[in-house]
Amino acid sequence: DAGITQSPRHKVTETGTPVTLRCHQTENHRYMYWYRQDPGHGLRLIHYSYGVKDTDKGEVSDGYSVSRSKTEDFLLTLESATSSQTSVYFCAISESQTGDQPQHFGDGTRLSIL
Amino acid sequence: SQQGEEDPQALSIQEGENATMNCSYKTSINNLQWYRQNSGRGLVHLILIRSNEREKHSGRLRVTLDTSKKSSSLLITASRAADTASYFCATGIIQGAQKLVFGQGTRLTINP
Repeated sequence: DAGITQSPRHKVTETGTPVTLRCHQTENHRYMYWYRQDPGHGLRLIHYSYGVKDTDKGEVSDGYSVSRSKTEDFLLTLESATSSQTSVYFCAISESQTGDQPQHFGDGTRLSIL
Repeated sequence: SQQGEEDPQALSIQEGENATMNCSYKTSINNLQWYRQNSGRGLVHLILIRSNEREKHSGRLRVTLDTSKKSSSLLITASRAADTASYFCATGIIQGAQKLVFGQGTRLTINP
């Protein structure tokens, strides 16, 4: 299995509070991604990173921010959590841009916002 | 927006039978990938087929791609109970980084 660790694995919090999810990789891969998975929607891309300090928006980026200060860590922040952000969040990594690459996923963070 | 549409949404078969899942998409792609997800776990990459390829095999898996029809199929032969999982197709588009757009998945149940 690819060395990807997501933390925390489960979190329950209240509406309006800030939340930060962490993705840590030991593969030294350049590309990192955050997805959310909801019933009936499959996985949707929130943000991605193509290098340290280089990030860009995905399909469903509103309400989320990211940061990548080191190759191995990619943080997803909900500045003020809302109930619509209750979801399972997955981090993924891939090795390089050149050619066609699979992505390798962590085991997810289940986030509940009450 | 959803790129991949998968069919069927759920499939239940007996162990030893073959399972076929289909994926249709809307725009031009660089590749199409299939992933498996066991309950409570992350996605595991199964196979990648490039836009200039028509068929690819990996063990008991066979994937076809028809870019003229914008469709792909995943065949699992001689199914096993351990194949019970959700299967997702994802279209890969390289614009800077490679971005994947996932379908909603097919829930496959293999009955012993």
